[in-house]
Amino acid sequence: DQQVKQNSPSLSVQEGRISILNCDYTNSMFDYFLWYKKYPAEGPTFLISISSIKDKNEDGRFTVFLNKSAKHLSLHIVPSQPGDSAVYFCAASDGNTGKLIFGQGTTLQVKP
Amino acid sequence: NAGVMQNPRHLVRRRGQEARLRCSPMKGHSHVYWYRQLPEEGLKFMVYLQKENIIDESGMPKERFSAEFPKEGPSILRIQQVVRGDSAAYFCASSPSAHSDEAFFGQGTRLTVV
Repeated sequence: DQQVKQNSPSLSVQEGRISILNCDYTNSMFDYFLWYKKYPAEGPTFLISISSIKDKNEDGRFTVFLNKSAKHLSLHIVPSQPGDSAVYFCAASDGNTGKLIFGQGTTLQVKP
Repeated sequence: NAGVMQNPRHLVRRRGQEARLRCSPMKGHSHVYWYRQLPEEGLKFMVYLQKENIIDESGMPKERFSAEFPKEGPSILRIQQVVRGDSAAYFCASSPSAHSDEAFFGQGTRLTVV
């Protein structure tokens, strides 16, 4: 049972344009959502998070949007840079234990 | 302040051997989480430990897998009698509390069972 889904395995965008990565979830008990970035042979690095009581959180070039009614969140990166090329994981938590449920990941390629 | 340290980075074991994966959390972090990433998949939660206690092991396979986080020393994920299906990347994360955005991940141990 995949509670967190990233339906796009890959995404390719041009440098300077916007990258939009999507994530859907099924469990309405999740109250915290996070995005991680991962390079090959390295551990995930925390990017940005959002509480379920909010619908938007922004940090520099990264913005996360949460639509609770649709159980959908998205990560916007603008402008995209070649160094953003990596695998992006969406994760959800119920906030009680810190345990994270991850999506399958989306590989982003930003072309110069 | 050193990050989360996992060792070894790469581990090769023959079928039937034991694998021991170590995780030293960041200084001041008493919460440790283990995740497994199979090829072409996302990370799957395995176990959550605080010092000397297993809090949640709902993601651990019922047999051959165990974890500990002693009062002194690193957290250990132990896999007995490894099989080829255990080949994966194993990641450890540590946190000063049970709040997710404070968790930092190690670089992982890549286990290959031959």
